[in-house]
Amino acid sequence: EDQVTQSPEALRLQEGESSSLNCSYTVSGLRGLFWYRQDPGKGPEFLFTLYSAGEEKEKERLKATLTKKESFLHITAPKPEDSATYLCAVQALSGSARQLTFGSGTQLTVLP
Amino acid sequence: EPEVTQTPSHQVTQMGQEVILRCVPISNHLYFYWYRQILGQKVEFLVSFYNNEISEKSEIFDDQFSVERPDGSNFTLKIRSTKLEDSAMYFCASRRVDSGYGYTFGSGTRLTVV
Repeated sequence: EDQVTQSPEALRLQEGESSSLNCSYTVSGLRGLFWYRQDPGKGPEFLFTLYSAGEEKEKERLKATLTKKESFLHITAPKPEDSATYLCAVQALSGSARQLTFGSGTQLTVLP
Repeated sequence: EPEVTQTPSHQVTQMGQEVILRCVPISNHLYFYWYRQILGQKVEFLVSFYNNEISEKSEIFDDQFSVERPDGSNFTLKIRSTKLEDSAMYFCASRRVDSGYGYTFGSGTRLTVV
């Protein structure tokens, strides 16, 4: 069974204080690892897809990296508008539907 | 930017009643999904739909649930006889054939069963 564990559950940062979120995963064969941002009462908003160990992707203050067992979302000099829940999800090689298995998320609060 | 549209945003229903949640996926997407998120819990896969039929479904998606694409634009989730434990946010999602851009999720329908 595919499993995704995210840590920490919650993180409070001062504006400008860089940090990293962790996503550990177990999957029979990884097709892709996805990062999403979710604001309260909203649907997940796509950020990145990573496919193979060693891959990195960046978008503004966010950088996602992938190893064979985990992924990190690095947040550099965050701003209050980066406050949200960040979700990690894996997509297995097996199955035609390519459904996502999500972690519980990290709730990030950036204080001004 | 294209988006997935869900209606209604919030629905309150009595236990035992039927509800239909509606979604308009992005027009050039071919795969459609329903996920749900019970308050404080993970986003969970319910069902996937491709080429006018269910391609996969989870254990949650029992006989009380059904999906339909009644026309070329709408995608619906029906819960036949709602239970208290069906209270959750229900998200519709769609994707292109190549999933490199991931899924696009709608803003969700908050279903409250009383």
